[in-house]
Formats: sequence, structure tokens, C-alpha cells
Amino acid sequence: GAVVSQHPSRVICKSGTSVKIECRSLDFQATTMFWYRQFPKQSLMLMATSNEGSKATYEQGVEKDKFLINHASLTLSTLTVTSAHPEDSSFYICSASTGSGSVELFFGEGSRLTVL
Amino acid sequence: AQSVTQLDSHVSVSEGTPVLLRCNYSSSYSPSLFWYVQHPNKGLQLLLKYTSAATLVKGINGFEAEFKKSETSFHLTKPSAHMSDAAEYFCVVRPLFSGGYNKLIFGAGTRLAVHP
Repeated sequence: GAVVSQHPSRVICKSGTSVKIECRSLDFQATTMFWYRQFPKQSLMLMATSNEGSKATYEQGVEKDKFLINHASLTLSTLTVTSAHPEDSSFYICSASTGSGSVELFFGEGSRLTVL
Repeated sequence: AQSVTQLDSHVSVSEGTPVLLRCNYSSSYSPSLFWYVQHPNKGLQLLLKYTSAATLVKGINGFEAEFKKSETSFHLTKPSAHMSDAAEYFCVVRPLFSGGYNKLIFGAGTRLAVHP
């Protein structure tokens, strides 16, 4: 099946710094990628839809200036958590689809962010 | 409005005994239905999917699920649990006329514990 890779898998940073998480589709082109946030022992919450070559679409309540999303190519989307604070600590997961007509999403391994 | 209800937050079984993880959905249209598994600090892996073909769907690792429209259910089963099945399981719904993959609806998750 299609493979989605996230990097880094774990990151620890100081409060006030910015952190970038990468999401790559390794063996397919992904016009659209999705970013989710998962709190401990909870389900996934969609943060934003990342479209190649255009601005991301954010879900209600998600600060676009806090969570910057860039989808510069068909195989790479990045999520940058700016001026991170401890409440931003979470597990972030990306997903991608192989294209129109496909109902299946492939998920990355996730990135655990800890802000001290 | 569409919704997904996973009826059990925790399920505990003995190794070698059957597994039943329950999922009910609410959708105005015929949906696509998925079961994903998540191991600790990992992304989501697709177990199986229903997309309006056969109502009994067979997935990986011996799992299967049956779509029952009359009961609006999509329960996940496995005849014999293995220790490696211990994980979090998510039932996911995508209404066919949702207009986009970002309309995936995640259940709250069921944590499966398997005891020797």
C-alpha cells in the first residue's frame, strides 16, 4: 500500500520556539494532505486540509497563524507550530490520499511534540 | 448529521478468544466505513474498509467486519485474539456525498487489551 512518512517522530522544544513537522508521500503524489491532532487517549481531530500549491483550509477553532501549513510539492506538506507553548504538546498525525476516486487515506506514523 | 459511536471504550479479552469491537454510525447517505488500528505512539493502519460492495468485509490480520444497514452497525470481529492485537481501534465514517475527504468522522476509539 501507499506509504506516508512523518519526520521527526519525536521532538522536544522550549517554549517560544517554532517546530516544523514534515509529511511525505513516498510512493505516490498527494494533491491533498490532512493534519490531525490527537490528545492522550482521545480520537483524532482534523486541524486542516493541505492543498498543493494553495492555502490550507483550517477547521474551526484552529489558529492558522499558530499552525502554519505549507504544501509546496505533490509529495511534501509541512506543519510548523510557531511560538510553541506547553499546551501545544500533542501527537500530530498527517494523512494523504492517492487521488480522486480513492476513498482510503494513508496515515503517517505521527509526531509527538513536547513543549517544555 | 453524521456521527460514529464506538460502544466500548475498553475491551479486554484472553488470548485465543474472540474479539468484538462495536461501532454504530449515523449517516444521511450511504457511507464508506473503515476500521483503523493504532499502536502506541504510531500512526493509523487500515484494517479494512466497506465501500458499498460486499457487506462482509475481510481485512488484514484475520479481522473482519459486517455492514448492517438495518442496524446501522459495522462491528469488528476476529475469531481468535493474539497478544499483538492489543492496540487502539478506530471506527471511521466517510459519507459518500460529503464532498471531500476532510469529512472523515472518527469514533472515540476502543482500547483492546489481550491477556495471556
